[in-house]
Amino acid sequence: AQSVSQHNHHVILSEAASLELGCNYSYGGTVNLFWYVQYPGQHLQLLLKYFSGDPLVKGIKGFEAEFIKSKFSFNLRKPSVQWSDTAEYFCATFSGGYQKVTFGTGTKLQVIP
Amino acid sequence: NAGVTQTPKFRILKIGQSMTLQCAQDMNHNYMYWYRQDPGMGLKLIYYSVGAGITDKGEVPNGYNVSRSTTEDFPLRLELAAPSQTSVYFCASSLGRLSLGNTEAFFGQGTRLTVV
Repeated sequence: AQSVSQHNHHVILSEAASLELGCNYSYGGTVNLFWYVQYPGQHLQLLLKYFSGDPLVKGIKGFEAEFIKSKFSFNLRKPSVQWSDTAEYFCATFSGGYQKVTFGTGTKLQVIP
Repeated sequence: NAGVTQTPKFRILKIGQSMTLQCAQDMNHNYMYWYRQDPGMGLKLIYYSVGAGITDKGEVPNGYNVSRSTTEDFPLRLELAAPSQTSVYFCASSLGRLSLGNTEAFFGQGTRLTVV
């Protein structure tokens, strides 16, 4: 079954800095990758998803992610972060055995004004 | 459009008490899920359902039960609350099988449960 791993547990950036959060996946057949965001006290929201086609995926709020098959990576990027981007970010994939989304352990992003 | 609605948002239970976490979706989704979220552990699947009358265990089902009598509702039952069940619980739904692609899971706002 596919799984994902996130190695950055806590990232602190100043406003206007560029962001890149790492996500590596184990290939298990059909590729399906997601990035979700959880703002403080709120539910998970989908930022973007990749199933096939253009490996550079544009999401909401200026986020993008690039699927690099040779590196088994699906890193999340944003050119210039804002204080409002402070949240926890989860990389996720589909796990066929349970017909469910499998999440990474999450990366907490803190943006300092 | 309410999406996925969870109640309550917060609850404190004493050890040994029981409670039901409610989850309802108005999107006519067949698939519904219960996750628990613990710090540094990501989300773990407790139970899931592929349609009314059909449920199955996820990764961490012990201490929980579910039922799915209607398409809309998927309640999670804790029979004998234990401190290890202190967590944030998320309900989610999806239209169909995620393996088919071009679909996504929609999440509720979560229930923060503390067992003391």
